[in-house]
Amino acid sequence: DIQMTQSPSSVSPSVGDRVTITCRASQGIGGWLTWYQQKPGKAPKLLIYASSSLQSGVPSRFSGSGSGTDFTLTISSLQPEDFATYYCQQALSFPFTFGPGTKVDIK
Amino acid sequence: EVQLVESGGGLVQPGGSLRLSCAASGFTFSTYAMSWVRQAPGKGLEWVSGITGSGDRTYYADSVKGRFTISRDNSNNTLYFQMNSLRAEDTAVYYCAKWGIAAAGNWFDPWGQGTQVIVSS
Repeated sequence: DIQMTQSPSSVSPSVGDRVTITCRASQGIGGWLTWYQQKPGKAPKLLIYASSSLQSGVPSRFSGSGSGTDFTLTISSLQPEDFATYYCQQALSFPFTFGPGTKVDIK
Repeated sequence: EVQLVESGGGLVQPGGSLRLSCAASGFTFSTYAMSWVRQAPGKGLEWVSGITGSGDRTYYADSVKGRFTISRDNSNNTLYFQMNSLRAEDTAVYYCAKWGIAAAGNWFDPWGQGTQVIVSS
């Protein structure tokens, strides 16, 4: 199975800050990387697929990049509604696997 | 609007069975693959199963293979998850999700609200 790691595990930025979350795959996955946002008690929400394609309706302050084993999710200017946990997921091969999550907490 | 509504969760004893349902609306159900993803209390996400739009192919994580069965009824726009031989470690919120597949990648969107499964004596 492909193992996914994320760093940091948590971060406490301020509103307006630029936030970068890193995701690493245990083997190359090309661009088959998806990002989700999850708020407490809610279902995950798709943000980005194919490493850098923004899902319709997702604000443009979210962006993704990377290929192979190293990927990043960037929030260019953090808004109050962005405090949540973010998960990456490899979409190359079964079983699909998720990273452990990065919690973006209020400072 | 695409909607997915799960049901069927509850408290069950170890070794018992449950069948989860996911009622879909707002899209042509039979043309989309679907998946189940679970989340144990306070933990991350775990993909557990998927099924093609026609139902001719199914996929499972090793953690549930041989115990759980995914299926669908395209005439009733409903996805199912039959869970047998349940263990304490199967305790989780179970989400169904529409599984998008394209040359550019694949993804789960949207997700239902989830149904809680608790396996305990």
